[in-house]
Amino acid sequence: AQSVTQPDIHITVSEGASLELRCNYSYGATPYLFWYVQSPGQGLQLLLKYFSGDTLVQGIKGFEAEFKRSQSSFNLRKPSVHWSDAAEYFCAVGEGGDYKLSFGAGTTVTVRA
Amino acid sequence: GAVVSQHPSRVICKSGTSVKIECRSLDFQATTMFWYRQFPKQSLMLMATSNEGSKATYEQGVEKDKFLINHASLTLSTLTVTSAHPEDSSFYICSARDDRASGYTFGSGTRLTVV
Repeated sequence: AQSVTQPDIHITVSEGASLELRCNYSYGATPYLFWYVQSPGQGLQLLLKYFSGDTLVQGIKGFEAEFKRSQSSFNLRKPSVHWSDAAEYFCAVGEGGDYKLSFGAGTTVTVRA
Repeated sequence: GAVVSQHPSRVICKSGTSVKIECRSLDFQATTMFWYRQFPKQSLMLMATSNEGSKATYEQGVEKDKFLINHASLTLSTLTVTSAHPEDSSFYICSARDDRASGYTFGSGTRLTVV
């Protein structure tokens, strides 16, 4: 079974600074990888996904992520954060014929002015 | 883009009663839908996989008689929390797998409070 680790529970960044959220996974085959964002009391919004091909994936809201097979990582980055980026971020791995998702514990991002 | 509608967004019920939550894919067909539970400040825990026209597959530790799932059409799955108790209070989220786009779209969630 796969597992997903997000080592950082909480990250605080200044507005305009860069952001990197870490995600490591454990999965035997080529994984389907996702990053989602969740605002309080809301569902999840897909930021980006990786299935195959180019290992640098561009997503919405200026986010990108890089798949590194050798490091079993799929870290999310944004060059310059905005106050509206404050939210909970989840990394997820999909597996199996019905593509069940396993989620990391999440990283809370706080943006200070 | 793909949209999943989840209703109600918030419900309060008395102990012992049942609550039904609907998850509907609005502009695509979803053979497979998923139900998650999320406790405050925690991640999403998969409860069950709902397949159209067949029985749901429940994750280990999830009581199938308590959390009834019905996926009667390609656009609708329902989760019924039967004989609800305060410990069932949680945030429930559904997602639908869009076969066309190989992606997952999530509903906006349902905050269930059992009093």
